[in-house]
Amino acid sequence: QQPVQSPQAVILREGEDAVINCSSSKALYSVHWYRQKHGEAPVFLMILLKGGEQKGHEKISASFNEKKQQSSLYLTASQLSYSGTYFCGTVEGATNKLIFGTGTLLAVQP
Amino acid sequence: NAGVTQTPKFQVLKTGQSMTLQCAQDMNHEYMSWYRQDPGMGLRLIHYSVGAGITDQGEVPNGYNVSRSTTEDFPLRLLSAAPSQTSVYFCASSTSLIQGWRTEAFFGQGTRLTVV
Repeated sequence: QQPVQSPQAVILREGEDAVINCSSSKALYSVHWYRQKHGEAPVFLMILLKGGEQKGHEKISASFNEKKQQSSLYLTASQLSYSGTYFCGTVEGATNKLIFGTGTLLAVQP
Repeated sequence: NAGVTQTPKFQVLKTGQSMTLQCAQDMNHEYMSWYRQDPGMGLRLIHYSVGAGITDQGEVPNGYNVSRSTTEDFPLRLLSAAPSQTSVYFCASSTSLIQGWRTEAFFGQGTRLTVV
C-alpha cells in the first residue's frame, strides 16, 4: 500500500521554508526521501531507519516518528534548485519492497 | 563508473507486440527492481530481485515478466503490449538487503515507452 504524502503541491518564494509529510498505515522499518527533476531520474536525499539512525545529505533535515508511522522532510531557506517532485518511499517491517508515495510537487520562485 | 544503465531511452510499440527493457548495473548490487511512473501515481513497483535467480512481484506485476540470471542484469519483458502500459519505466538497484533497505536506491535514467 502506497504511503500518503501531503501536500500534493506547494509553491514557495526563495528563502521560504516548507515541510513535506509522509504517512503509512503499516509499521515501518525505514523511510526514504528522493527528489526528481522533470525528465530525470529520482535522486537520493535521505534514509531514516527504525531506531533513530539517519543517512543522507548534510543540508537535508527530516524526522521519523516510528509510533505514528510518519515522516517529515524539512526544506529551509529554499533555493531555486530545490524545485522538483519529492517522493517518500517506505519499507514495511522486514520486507524487501520499497514502496513510493504519489509525490509532492515543489516549485520555488524567485 | 556507469551506475545503472537502461536501454532503450525511448520506444514506441504497437498493441500486441513484445519487447524487453534492459537494465544493467556495474556496482555489484544484490537488489534490483523495476518501477513504472505515471502522472499522479508516483513510482509503482513492478517486480524486484534480491539476487541472481530470485525474483518476486511488486504492486503492479501483471503483464510483465522478469528474470535474473546474473548479478548485473535485470531485464523486464512485456509479453503483449497494451496501451495501459504506456509509461516511464525506471530500474533501480541497491547494495544492502540486511533487514530491508538500509541503503539508498540508485536509479537508471528511465525508458519512455509508448504503446499505440
